[in-house]
Amino acid sequence: AQSVTQPDIHITVSEGASLELRCNYSYGATPYLFWYVQSPGQGLQLLLKYFSGDTLVQGIKGFEAEFKRSQSSFNLRKPSVHWSDAAEYFCAVGAMEYGNKLVFGAGTILRVKS
Amino acid sequence: NAGVTQTPKFQVLKTGQSMTLQCAQDMNHEYMSWYRQDPGMGLRLIHYSVGAGITDQGEVPNGYNVSRSTTEDFPLRLLSAAPSQTSVYFCASSLGRSQDGYTFGSGTRLTVV
Repeated sequence: AQSVTQPDIHITVSEGASLELRCNYSYGATPYLFWYVQSPGQGLQLLLKYFSGDTLVQGIKGFEAEFKRSQSSFNLRKPSVHWSDAAEYFCAVGAMEYGNKLVFGAGTILRVKS
Repeated sequence: NAGVTQTPKFQVLKTGQSMTLQCAQDMNHEYMSWYRQDPGMGLRLIHYSVGAGITDQGEVPNGYNVSRSTTEDFPLRLLSAAPSQTSVYFCASSLGRSQDGYTFGSGTRLTVV
């Protein structure tokens, strides 16, 4: 079965600093990988996704993520964080063999200090 | 284009009461699903549907029922509410391919007292 681990429950970074949120998945074949962002009181918004091709994918709001098969990771990065990036971030994994079902990680709460 | 619409946004129930959480999408998405979100546990799949008339259980289906009579609507019914069902509920939809990702509603915050 698929599983997703986000090792960091909370991360605090200074505004303007770089950011990396970690995501590790467990799945044997080629997964489909997603990052979602959830602002307080809101639903989840898709930031970016990977399902084939270039392992470095660009998303909205200046985010990018790199798929590393050897490490079973899909870490989210941003070179310079803005205060508006404070939110909760979820990594999710899917696979064709599991139909449309996505398995989500527990989330990482990002705090941005000025 | 409204996307995925969930109602109500907030609800307080007494233990043992029943209610229906509504979810509607206007994107002609085949796949719809219900998740619950609890602190530190991410989102857990309750039920899902791959098309009108077809539903299946997810990871945590107990205490919940669903039906899918139309492509647009996917209501979630709580049969006899329990405090353990206090949570935030999200409805999501997608075109139907694994790599599409989901469009989420804004959620329903349910408290059972």
